[in-house]
Amino acid sequence: GAGVSQSPSNKVTEKGKDVELRCDPISGHTALYWYRQSLGQGLEFLIYFQGNSAPDKSGLPSDRFSAERTGGSVSTLTIQRTQQEDSAVYLCASSFVTDTQYFGPGTRLTVL
Amino acid sequence: GEDVEQSLFLSVREGDSSVINCTYTDSSSTYLYWYKQEPGAGLQLLTYIFSNMDMKQDQRLTVLLNKKDKHLSLRIADTQTGDSAIYFCAESPPNDYKLSFGAGTTVTVRA
Repeated sequence: GAGVSQSPSNKVTEKGKDVELRCDPISGHTALYWYRQSLGQGLEFLIYFQGNSAPDKSGLPSDRFSAERTGGSVSTLTIQRTQQEDSAVYLCASSFVTDTQYFGPGTRLTVL
Repeated sequence: GEDVEQSLFLSVREGDSSVINCTYTDSSSTYLYWYKQEPGAGLQLLTYIFSNMDMKQDQRLTVLLNKKDKHLSLRIADTQTGDSAIYFCAESPPNDYKLSFGAGTTVTVRA
Protein backbone atom coordinates (compact mmCIF):
# COMPACT_ATOMS: atom_id res chain seq x y z
CA GLY A 1 0.00 0.00 0.00
CA ALA A 2 0.94 3.66 -0.05
CA GLY A 3 3.59 4.83 2.34
CA VAL A 4 3.89 8.08 4.25
CA SER A 5 3.83 11.06 1.92
CA GLN A 6 5.02 14.59 2.57
CA SER A 7 4.69 17.84 0.70
CA PRO A 8 6.34 19.87 -0.53
CA SER A 9 9.54 17.91 -1.08
CA ASN A 10 11.53 21.14 -1.08
CA LYS A 11 10.70 24.56 0.27
CA VAL A 12 12.79 27.69 0.00
CA THR A 13 11.59 30.66 1.96
CA GLU A 14 12.81 34.00 3.18
CA LYS A 15 13.64 34.68 6.78
CA GLY A 16 10.58 35.89 8.66
CA LYS A 17 8.00 34.15 6.47
CA ASP A 18 5.65 31.41 7.69
CA VAL A 19 5.74 27.91 6.20
CA GLU A 20 3.43 24.91 6.34
CA LEU A 21 4.60 21.36 5.85
CA ARG A 22 2.16 18.55 5.24
CA CYS A 23 2.22 14.87 6.11
CA ASP A 24 -0.14 12.10 4.98
CA PRO A 25 0.36 9.03 7.16
CA ILE A 26 -0.18 5.43 6.18
CA SER A 27 -3.88 4.66 6.18
CA GLY A 28 -4.97 3.08 9.45
CA HIS A 29 -1.96 4.25 11.43
CA THR A 30 -3.03 5.85 14.68
CA ALA A 31 0.22 7.58 15.58
CA LEU A 32 2.03 10.36 13.73
CA TYR A 33 5.43 11.83 14.52
CA TRP A 34 7.46 14.78 13.31
CA TYR A 35 11.27 14.74 13.48
CA ARG A 36 13.85 17.22 12.30
CA GLN A 37 17.16 16.31 10.73
CA SER A 38 19.73 19.08 10.85
CA LEU A 39 23.39 19.11 9.94
CA GLY A 40 25.33 18.50 13.09
CA GLN A 41 22.20 17.81 15.16
CA GLY A 42 21.16 14.41 13.91
CA LEU A 43 17.51 13.42 14.14
CA GLU A 44 15.48 15.10 16.85
CA PHE A 45 11.92 14.41 17.89
CA LEU A 46 9.51 17.32 17.56
CA ILE A 47 5.93 16.23 18.22
CA TYR A 48 3.76 13.11 18.53
CA PHE A 49 0.06 12.53 17.91
CA GLN A 50 -1.77 9.40 19.04
CA GLY A 51 -5.42 9.04 18.17
CA ASN A 52 -7.53 11.65 19.92
CA SER A 53 -5.12 12.12 22.81
CA ALA A 54 -3.42 15.44 23.48
CA PRO A 55 -0.22 15.62 21.43
CA ASP A 56 3.21 15.45 23.01
CA LYS A 57 4.80 18.75 21.99
CA SER A 58 7.82 18.41 24.22
CA GLY A 59 10.28 18.38 21.32
CA LEU A 60 9.16 21.60 19.64
CA PRO A 61 12.17 23.97 19.79
CA SER A 62 10.20 27.21 20.22
CA ASP A 63 6.70 28.64 20.21
CA ARG A 64 7.16 29.51 16.56
CA PHE A 65 6.57 25.83 15.85
CA SER A 66 3.11 24.29 15.97
CA ALA A 67 1.41 21.26 14.50
CA GLU A 68 -2.06 19.92 14.16
CA ARG A 69 -3.61 16.72 12.98
CA THR A 70 -7.05 16.93 11.44
CA GLY A 71 -9.47 14.03 11.57
CA GLY A 72 -6.83 11.75 12.98
CA SER A 73 -5.07 11.62 9.63
CA VAL A 74 -3.27 14.44 7.81
CA SER A 75 -0.90 16.61 9.83
CA THR A 76 0.46 20.09 9.20
CA LEU A 77 3.61 21.43 10.81
CA THR A 78 3.70 25.23 10.82
CA ILE A 79 6.78 27.33 11.44
CA GLN A 80 6.11 31.02 11.94
CA ARG A 81 8.64 33.77 11.34
CA THR A 82 11.21 31.33 10.02
CA GLN A 83 14.86 31.74 10.98
CA GLN A 84 17.94 30.44 9.21
CA GLU A 85 18.50 27.89 11.95
CA ASP A 86 15.15 26.31 11.00
CA SER A 87 16.76 25.06 7.78
CA ALA A 88 16.63 21.28 7.95
CA VAL A 89 14.89 18.22 6.61
CA TYR A 90 11.57 17.69 8.35
CA LEU A 91 10.58 14.04 8.50
CA CYS A 92 7.18 12.64 9.29
CA ALA A 93 6.56 9.08 10.44
CA SER A 94 3.49 7.05 11.29
CA SER A 95 2.84 3.84 13.15
CA PHE A 96 0.00 1.65 14.32
CA VAL A 97 -0.25 2.54 18.00
CA THR A 98 3.42 2.58 19.09
CA ASP A 99 4.54 -0.09 16.70
CA THR A 100 7.33 0.32 14.15
CA GLN A 101 7.58 3.82 12.70
CA TYR A 102 7.59 4.27 8.94
CA PHE A 103 9.02 7.46 7.56
CA GLY A 104 8.11 9.70 4.67
CA PRO A 105 10.63 11.16 2.21
CA GLY A 106 10.89 14.42 4.14
CA THR A 107 10.61 18.10 3.29
CA ARG A 108 13.86 19.96 2.84
CA LEU A 109 13.39 23.49 4.18
CA THR A 110 15.85 26.22 3.29
CA VAL A 111 15.51 29.59 4.95
CA LEU A 112 17.43 32.34 3.16
CA GLY B 1 25.33 14.41 23.50
CA GLU B 2 23.83 11.43 21.72
CA ASP B 3 22.28 8.63 23.77
CA VAL B 4 22.93 6.31 20.86
CA GLU B 5 26.44 6.32 19.45
CA GLN B 6 27.73 5.22 16.08
CA SER B 7 30.93 5.69 14.18
CA LEU B 8 30.45 8.32 11.50
CA PHE B 9 32.07 6.77 8.44
CA LEU B 10 32.73 3.35 6.94
CA SER B 11 34.41 2.60 3.62
CA VAL B 12 34.11 -0.89 2.21
CA ARG B 13 35.09 -2.61 -1.00
CA GLU B 14 32.30 -3.94 -3.20
CA GLY B 15 31.66 -7.60 -2.44
CA ASP B 16 33.09 -7.42 1.08
CA SER B 17 31.03 -7.45 4.27
CA SER B 18 30.18 -4.23 6.07
CA VAL B 19 29.77 -4.08 9.83
CA ILE B 20 28.16 -1.03 11.39
CA ASN B 21 28.31 -0.75 15.15
CA CYS B 22 26.09 1.05 17.61
CA THR B 23 25.99 1.45 21.37
CA TYR B 24 22.90 2.52 23.23
CA THR B 25 22.26 3.59 26.79
CA ASP B 26 18.83 2.40 27.83
CA SER B 27 19.14 -1.24 28.76
CA SER B 28 15.36 -1.50 29.00
CA SER B 29 14.82 -0.57 25.36
CA THR B 30 12.40 -3.04 23.87
CA TYR B 31 13.17 -2.66 20.19
CA LEU B 32 16.28 -1.60 18.34
CA TYR B 33 16.10 -0.51 14.74
CA TRP B 34 18.27 0.02 11.72
CA TYR B 35 17.16 2.60 9.17
CA LYS B 36 18.80 3.42 5.85
CA GLN B 37 18.81 6.87 4.27
CA GLU B 38 19.87 7.28 0.65
CA PRO B 39 20.84 10.74 -0.63
CA GLY B 40 17.86 13.07 -0.75
CA ALA B 41 15.49 10.44 0.57
CA GLY B 42 13.70 9.70 3.83
CA LEU B 43 14.44 6.92 6.25
CA GLN B 44 13.78 3.39 5.10
CA LEU B 45 13.27 0.75 7.78
CA LEU B 46 15.81 -1.99 7.16
CA THR B 47 15.31 -4.30 10.08
CA TYR B 48 14.69 -4.37 13.80
CA ILE B 49 15.35 -6.70 16.67
CA PHE B 50 13.41 -7.33 19.83
CA SER B 51 15.44 -7.04 22.99
CA ASN B 52 15.02 -10.69 23.96
CA MET B 53 16.80 -11.81 20.79
CA ASP B 54 20.53 -12.13 20.22
CA MET B 55 20.51 -12.31 16.47
CA LYS B 56 18.26 -11.75 13.50
CA GLN B 57 19.04 -12.58 9.90
CA ASP B 58 17.21 -11.23 6.89
CA GLN B 59 18.77 -12.06 3.52
CA ARG B 60 22.07 -10.14 3.38
CA LEU B 61 21.47 -8.44 6.71
CA THR B 62 22.46 -9.83 10.10
CA VAL B 63 21.73 -7.98 13.31
CA LEU B 64 23.58 -8.91 16.49
CA LEU B 65 22.51 -7.67 19.90
CA ASN B 66 24.66 -7.84 23.02
CA LYS B 67 22.43 -6.63 25.82
CA LYS B 68 25.11 -6.90 28.45
CA ASP B 69 27.32 -4.44 26.60
CA LYS B 70 24.38 -2.54 25.07
CA HIS B 71 25.93 -3.08 21.67
CA LEU B 72 24.10 -3.52 18.40
CA SER B 73 25.64 -4.28 15.04
CA LEU B 74 24.44 -4.57 11.47
CA ARG B 75 26.34 -6.76 9.07
CA ILE B 76 25.72 -6.43 5.34
CA ALA B 77 27.04 -9.38 3.37
CA ASP B 78 28.31 -8.95 -0.20
CA THR B 79 28.09 -5.17 -0.04
CA GLN B 80 26.92 -3.54 -3.27
CA THR B 81 27.13 0.01 -4.59
CA GLY B 82 23.42 0.40 -3.84
CA ASP B 83 24.23 -0.08 -0.18
CA SER B 84 26.00 3.29 -0.10
CA ALA B 85 23.89 5.35 2.28
CA ILE B 86 23.65 6.63 5.85
CA TYR B 87 22.63 3.98 8.35
CA PHE B 88 20.91 5.00 11.57
CA CYS B 89 20.63 2.95 14.69
CA ALA B 90 17.61 3.79 16.89
CA GLU B 91 16.30 2.60 20.21
CA SER B 92 12.77 2.49 21.49
CA PRO B 93 12.60 2.62 25.30
CA PRO B 94 9.61 0.91 26.90
CA ASN B 95 6.57 3.10 27.40
CA ASP B 96 8.12 5.77 25.21
CA TYR B 97 7.13 6.25 21.62
CA LYS B 98 10.02 8.57 20.76
CA LEU B 99 12.86 6.97 18.90
CA SER B 100 16.36 7.97 19.92
CA PHE B 101 18.66 7.97 16.94
CA GLY B 102 22.38 7.77 16.55
CA ALA B 103 24.14 10.33 14.39
CA GLY B 104 24.26 7.91 11.47
CA THR B 105 27.09 6.01 9.81
CA THR B 106 27.89 7.00 6.23
CA VAL B 107 28.80 3.87 4.30
CA THR B 108 30.73 4.32 1.08
CA VAL B 109 31.13 1.33 -1.19
CA ARG B 110 34.15 1.51 -3.48
CA ALA B 111 34.74 -0.58 -6.57
